[in-house]
Amino acid sequence: DSGVTQTPKHLITATGQRVTLRCSPRSGDLSVYWYQQSLDQGLQFLIQYYNGEERAKGNILERFSAQQFPDLHSELNLSSLELGDSALYFCASSPDIRTPNTGELFFGEGSRLTVL
Amino acid sequence: GQSLEQPSEVTAVEGAIVQINCTYQTSGFYGLSWYQQHDGGAPTFLSYNALDGLEETGRFSSFLSRSDSYGYLLLQELQMKDSASYFCAVGTNAGNNRKLIWGLGTSLAVNP
Repeated sequence: DSGVTQTPKHLITATGQRVTLRCSPRSGDLSVYWYQQSLDQGLQFLIQYYNGEERAKGNILERFSAQQFPDLHSELNLSSLELGDSALYFCASSPDIRTPNTGELFFGEGSRLTVL
Repeated sequence: GQSLEQPSEVTAVEGAIVQINCTYQTSGFYGLSWYQQHDGGAPTFLSYNALDGLEETGRFSSFLSRSDSYGYLLLQELQMKDSASYFCAVGTNAGNNRKLIWGLGTSLAVNP
């Protein structure tokens, strides 16, 4: 158990809908990262937050947005969903603003989104 | 640009040794990480190399050559439970922040 909690574990919805994925980082970790993993693909970095502020953006679509709240939990909002958005969405956390010197991120178990 | 290359698939038998290579092209390099992911599960951290040389952790070892922009993960005494995907990730400095660039992963199948 990494200590990172993601909900929901599974989500099935229809095209055009909007969903919110939630992540609670490890206790004490200030940085939260969101990743998308499509079938048999690598991890695509979406966005990073540190202590409530956006710090880095990756390949995140304009239909997607995220935020980190004062209690450090984070939410990823996906709107106007398309079939291609079906994927595993992972949240990861680390203690500080920079991926720590050991290169270690702690990943949650992911939220599997299916868009029909 | 920035890129990573690693083989898409590797097959080996129980008890054998397998090496998964990773070559990268990036600026602001600061380290190479390896992660293991079992089917549909959370990626878990295996090792990290910031300096040239070999780092050993039990049955797993990781090597880095910064001058060759190359690293590898070595898995010894393979077990069935080692069947998984292995990702290399390169750490790069981008302004005041660091980010990880991920490879597409190597699917390792360990056969009896």
